[in-house]
Amino acid sequence: QVQLVESGGGVVQPGTSLRLSCEASGFTFSTYGMHWVRQAPGKGLEWVSFIWSDGSDKYYAESVKGRFAISRDDSKNTLYLQMNSLRGEDTAMYYCVRGYCSGGNCREAYWGQGILVTVSS
Amino acid sequence: EIVLTQSPGALSLSPGEGATLSCRASQSVRNNYLAWYQQKPGQAPRPLIHGASSRATGIPDRFSGSGSGTDFTLTITRLEPEDFAVYYCQQYGSSPYTFGQGTKLEIK
Repeated sequence: QVQLVESGGGVVQPGTSLRLSCEASGFTFSTYGMHWVRQAPGKGLEWVSFIWSDGSDKYYAESVKGRFAISRDDSKNTLYLQMNSLRGEDTAMYYCVRGYCSGGNCREAYWGQGILVTVSS
Repeated sequence: EIVLTQSPGALSLSPGEGATLSCRASQSVRNNYLAWYQQKPGQAPRPLIHGASSRATGIPDRFSGSGSGTDFTLTITRLEPEDFAVYYCQQYGSSPYTFGQGTKLEIK
């Protein structure tokens, strides 16, 4: 079955960097676009970033543009989120999400269980 | 950017009743790429509906999605105790792939 396991979270100081990883299994990783979605404590869901299946295009929310970078390594079935210049408002649970469509066939997205990032001095 | 507005913000109902949740988009959602999620405290969101009206794997048929263009609805018939949660809509037709602010479904 589809599994997405996030890692790399933790407590960091403002202005520092962190890299999240998401290891995927149970599906052909290279054929799906992948998202990062976050949720601040007690708040709603916020889409963060998306990368196409072939890595050719990447999109970012305005709130993270220029600070975060999404990437993927299909040889390792792993998605990454490099987060630089972290701010207090980046504190959130970060979810790795498999995209909806592959090769024109669309179905529900799959979510990991999330990893907590806390930015605090 | 497509802004999704969910209404009502909160809904108090009793088990056995029906619920109608709305998600209105500020512009047309490409290919009706609209999904609904259920989230309970401490859990990841659970996919319910994709493509506006297709139920996700394992979702009971008391959950149904409808709508197109800018107006979408999630209908839950015969509420069960486990249905009380927060519900979000998301559009995945165009970046940024925005979420609505959520509707909290509470037990009356």
